[in-house]
Amino acid sequence: EVQLVESGGGLVQPGGSLRLSCEASGFTFNMYAMSWVRQAPGKGLEWVSVISGSSDSAYVGDSVKGRFTVSRDNSKKTVYLQMNSLRVEDTAVYYCAKTKYQLMLDAFDVWGQGTMVTVSS
Amino acid sequence: AIQMTQSPSSLSASLGDRVNITCRASQGIRNDLSWYQQRPGKAPKLLIYDASSLQRGVPSRFSGSGSGTDFTLTISSLQPEDFATYYCLEGYSTPRTFGQGTKVEIK
Repeated sequence: EVQLVESGGGLVQPGGSLRLSCEASGFTFNMYAMSWVRQAPGKGLEWVSVISGSSDSAYVGDSVKGRFTVSRDNSKKTVYLQMNSLRVEDTAVYYCAKTKYQLMLDAFDVWGQGTMVTVSS
Repeated sequence: AIQMTQSPSSLSASLGDRVNITCRASQGIRNDLSWYQQRPGKAPKLLIYDASSLQRGVPSRFSGSGSGTDFTLTISSLQPEDFATYYCLEGYSTPRTFGQGTKVEIK
């Protein structure tokens, strides 16, 4: 069964850091780009980042540029989102998602269950 | 960044109704568009990719159409499990952009 399991969410103060993890199973992990998508409480979906299967390309959205970094460890079948200088507006459920094919701009055919990040003093 | 304008933001419909949801891109995106369904408290689920290709396991009452800037998700006969929020997502360039969402409610 293809599965993504996120972890690492929690409560953090403004200006703090968190690292989210997403462990994959059931598919050849290093062949697929992986993305992070977030959803603030009661709001819509926001694309956050993408990383290629080989890690040679990675992008983050404008709202998190310079603060968030995406990386992956193919030996551990895990993708990470390092979040620094967190702001109240980063409060959201963070989902990781697998691309349907191998391109970075493909549709997301598998999603994790999400991990909640709350930034508050 | 490409802007995706999704409409309507919400709609009320009855069981068996035909429902159309549209997304308009701020520039041409070929057929690089996907549609997702999200039920409350759940992760999104892929319905349509490449604008009109039905994801495996998704009922055939869901269909997608369009190319360039204008796209439509159609539910041919609304079922109880279809009451949810629907999003489009462009796949043309980074940063990627979702539509604002359409909440489908029971009339």
